[in-house]
Parts: sequence; C-alpha cells; structure tokens
Amino acid sequence: GIQVEQSPPDLILQEGANSTLRCNFSDSVNNLQWFHQNPWGQLINLFYIPSGTKQNGRLSATTVATERYSLLYISSSQTTDSGVYFCAVRRGTYKYIFGTGTRLKVLA
Amino acid sequence: GAVVSQHPSWVICKSGTSVKIECRSLDFQATTMFWYRQFPKQSLMLMATSNEGSKATYEQGVEKDKFLINHASLTLSTLTVTSAHPEDSSFYICSARAPRAGNSPLHFGNGTRLTVT
Repeated sequence: GIQVEQSPPDLILQEGANSTLRCNFSDSVNNLQWFHQNPWGQLINLFYIPSGTKQNGRLSATTVATERYSLLYISSSQTTDSGVYFCAVRRGTYKYIFGTGTRLKVLA
Repeated sequence: GAVVSQHPSWVICKSGTSVKIECRSLDFQATTMFWYRQFPKQSLMLMATSNEGSKATYEQGVEKDKFLINHASLTLSTLTVTSAHPEDSSFYICSARAPRAGNSPLHFGNGTRLTVT
C-alpha cells in the first residue's frame, strides 16, 4: 500500500520562529489533508489540499501532487501550536492513510 | 457544519467485558464512516470502514470478531470492543466524509480513550 512519511519526526521551536513540515507519499493520491492533534487527542482539520497552495492565518500549505509531497508552513509559532501534525492521503478508495506525524513543541 | 460526535470520551472497563463506542454525524448523512486506532506516540491506524446497511470492511490484521462494527443508519456507526483485554487499551477515533459532488474532506470525532484494567 501507499507509504506516507513525515519529517522531521520531532521539532522544538522558540515562540515566534517559523517552521516547515514535510509530507512525502509513495504514490499518486486523490486527496490530502493536514491535521493538528492537540494534547487532548482532538484532530483539528487544518487544510484540505490535494494540490496547490492555501493559507489560513499563520499557516499555509502547498501540495505538489506530481512530485508526491506536501509542505505545511507555520509562521510566528505560538505555544498553542504545540502538538502533533499529521498529513493524511487518499488514493482510489475512500480510505485515508495517515502519515507518521511531526511532534512539535513550541517553547515560551 | 460537518460535525462528528463520538461518545464516550473515555471509558475504563474490566478485562473480559465489552465496550460500545458511538460515532454520530450530526448535520450530515454519512454512508461511510471510518474507525481508527492510535497507540501512544504513534500515528492513526485505520481499523475498518463502516458502510451503512452492509458489512464493515476490515483492514488486514484487525479481528472482525473482536471489533464489531454496526452502521445501522446514515448518521450512526458503533464500534464494540468485545471481551476487552489490557492490550486493547488505546485511543479510538471515528471519522466521516460529508458527501457532496466531487471530493470532500474527512471530519473526526473527538476520540474515545479506552483503558482496560
């Protein structure tokens, strides 16, 4: 099946710093979503981005489907950005496969 | 819109008992729902796809008799962990797509933390 790898696996930032998270997938996909999982386990939908670029406040995402990767940019990070970031991809069926995740900690 | 409600948020049960987790789509009809399992510090692993009015489709390695899935209506899917054991302790999350023309994103419930003692 399709493999979804995220990097880096762990990231520590000082508040105010910028970061880029990467999601690589091994095969073509129909859809891709980015999620933030907060410390309570809730999954927050950040972007639905099968291709192109989207921005929402301090966050933006770009998916280059032909090269099989997506990037999530976090600017001016805040402590509330801490948590785990997942990308999830769909290929063919309705099933979404999750990436390995990036654990982010933002220090005050 | 596209709210998915999951209940209970957490449950503690004794080994050998069964636990039922409910997943409801509150403002849309979901012919398909998905159940995921997450161990501490790991990613979400798809367990099964729940199809309204038909049998669930289980991923390889997931025991059908252990994790019973019922999708009796367009807004409700249930996961029953039968004869639970400590190794079944995990975070279980359901999700659903709000159907519309073309593709649509996946929406998640808040998850259920199961602890089996």
